[in-house]
Amino acid sequence: GAGVSQSPSNKVTEKGKDVELRCDPISGHTALYWYRQSLGQGLEFLIYFQGNSAPDKSGLPSDRFSAERTGGSVSTLTIQRTQQEDSAVYLCASSLESRWNSPLHFGNGTRLTVT
Amino acid sequence: SQQGEEDPQALSIQEGENATMNCSYKTSINNLQWYRQNSGRGLVHLILIRSNEREKHSGRLRVTLDTSKKSSSLLITASRAADTASYFCATDDHKLSFGAGTTVTVRA
Repeated sequence: GAGVSQSPSNKVTEKGKDVELRCDPISGHTALYWYRQSLGQGLEFLIYFQGNSAPDKSGLPSDRFSAERTGGSVSTLTIQRTQQEDSAVYLCASSLESRWNSPLHFGNGTRLTVT
Repeated sequence: SQQGEEDPQALSIQEGENATMNCSYKTSINNLQWYRQNSGRGLVHLILIRSNEREKHSGRLRVTLDTSKKSSSLLITASRAADTASYFCATDDHKLSFGAGTTVTVRA
């Protein structure tokens, strides 16, 4: 079956512009996660959804970052007034269950470059 | 700060050799997971080991967990060029926390 799909795969934007990143999780997966990975670094947790609600938004770096999930499926991560330090790969993952008891299935990420 | 920390940061081995990497963590866990990431791709789940398990195998992979030392190891036996990737451990504190990873290069 289809895996986690992220779009776009690459995004180049000018500093100050807003960007929207999309994630289509695996059908039936109730939990959805966003992570950020800078070059050669580990994964930085951003936000986690259980269904449409986000019990944990603790990782969002600033109020320029927001995310939503509708219909228990597609999620969008929005970054407003992008800054150069926002440049990174944004990874989305989904899992069948929540609370870290089941494996995460990752998409291939969106590589964001802010010029 | 990161919960899981992998060691070493990088590892280069000859094809056919074994590769061992370690993960240390700070707080108590329910389970620990290992993932692999090939260049430019997302992470792929390898093994989940629960806190009441000490060892788990999957093909050429062997994972151990020592909760008293708060550490885990991943062993790849008879390595292949296709094993070249970064390997991450992840622990379940209030979120799934990943370390910075171990980059493994398998030379043909």
